[in-house]
Amino acid sequence: DVKVTQSSRYLVKRTGEKVFLECVQDMDHENMFWYRQDPGLGLRLIYFSYDVKMKEKGDIPEGYSVSREKKERFSLILESASTNQTSMYLCASSFRDPQNTGELFFGEGSRLTVL
Amino acid sequence: KNQVEQSPQSLIILEGKNCTLQCNYTVSPFSNLRWYKQDTGRGPVSLTIMTFSENTKSNGRYTATLDADTKQSSLHITASQLSDSASYICLDDYKLSFGAGTTVTVRA
Repeated sequence: DVKVTQSSRYLVKRTGEKVFLECVQDMDHENMFWYRQDPGLGLRLIYFSYDVKMKEKGDIPEGYSVSREKKERFSLILESASTNQTSMYLCASSFRDPQNTGELFFGEGSRLTVL
Repeated sequence: KNQVEQSPQSLIILEGKNCTLQCNYTVSPFSNLRWYKQDTGRGPVSLTIMTFSENTKSNGRYTATLDADTKQSSLHITASQLSDSASYICLDDYKLSFGAGTTVTVRA
């Protein structure tokens, strides 16, 4: 079975802190994604990556950065956490296929609270 | 503006009853449309995928339909069980646009 593992299920940080959210997948997927999920807004794409050292902005990249140094690992970084970044963060991965229609496999999520 | 709209936002049904969830999409071009189930506190899991040429597809008690002309998809849950309590989310595969989800609560 595909496994997408997010390093922390729950985090509490203070405003201004730097936050790292780690995601590792074990199925050799090319594509990896970071979403945030808020009530009433659904999942919104922050950043994605189709290959090592490659990254693309999603719909809401402001305040975030990412790193993909290895194929299996995709990190989300909040340089200076703010209270409006309190949310559930979900990592996902998929195979690349010619029609870009690979099923997304999600991690269990990281619930971040910024005080 | 979200290109994938879901309704209702939430619903409550009694165990054993049926329900239907709706997903309207305006993304273009159309690729595939997926339905995901998300249990509370967990990540979403794919239930089914609808391609352009498919009208109906079943996965156990879940049946998805697609009308490419009206750009509507539905997810029908038959003989609901308590374990069906979850959020159901539709996703356009091409633009990776998610709907906001429908929260289903099944009561005994």
